[in-house]
Amino acid sequence: EPEVTQTPSHQVTQMGQEVILRCVPISNHLYFYWYRQILGQKVEFLVSFYNNEISEKSEIFDDQFSVERPDGSNFTLKIRSTKLEDSAMYFCASSTGSVHTDTQYFGPGTRLTVL
Amino acid sequence: QQPVQSPQAVILREGEDAVINCSSSKALYSVHWYRQKHGEAPVFLMILLKGGEQKGHEKISASFNEKKQQSSLYLTASQLSYSGTYFCGTVPNNAGNMLTFGGGTRLMVKP
Repeated sequence: EPEVTQTPSHQVTQMGQEVILRCVPISNHLYFYWYRQILGQKVEFLVSFYNNEISEKSEIFDDQFSVERPDGSNFTLKIRSTKLEDSAMYFCASSTGSVHTDTQYFGPGTRLTVL
Repeated sequence: QQPVQSPQAVILREGEDAVINCSSSKALYSVHWYRQKHGEAPVFLMILLKGGEQKGHEKISASFNEKKQQSSLYLTASQLSYSGTYFCGTVPNNAGNMLTFGGGTRLMVKP
């Protein structure tokens, strides 16, 4: 069964450093998402991406964040200058249609630890 | 604004039933339900759309009251594997492509 994959599974970085989290969505999906989950808390929407552009972003997704689909398979989240409060699990998700009507499939996540 | 889930936590014995509720202050287009086990990704359970359409696992039962902007997830004859945190996610009528999750309901099923 097709699945969303994410790399790395765990990333440790120093405050102020740039990190890139990578995702490979399910191949025939058209909508891509990033979510964040701070330990023990709820899942928070960051951004949705469709047709090579951002369709929605939350207040969390400020100028320090960016997303890119550099080729036909990868979908990346970049954090330019990490802060301690960026420590969280980051989930990528993809779907065939928009959230209004379609299921999102989540990847296993990348645990980001900012020291 | 995020949906509100209740209860925050529930403990069951195997075979018992539970209901998890999700309510929103906004008119909703759809409600999604996910289950997350510790250290894992959320797993899709069901999506309920206004107008009555539902998509999801056969063994999962849920309802969506469009007038009250409320959804309920029904877990019957619970099994140990049902343990985890259940999240509802909502999509308001006038919203873009964005799913907002509630705070979650922790379910523990004991033998």
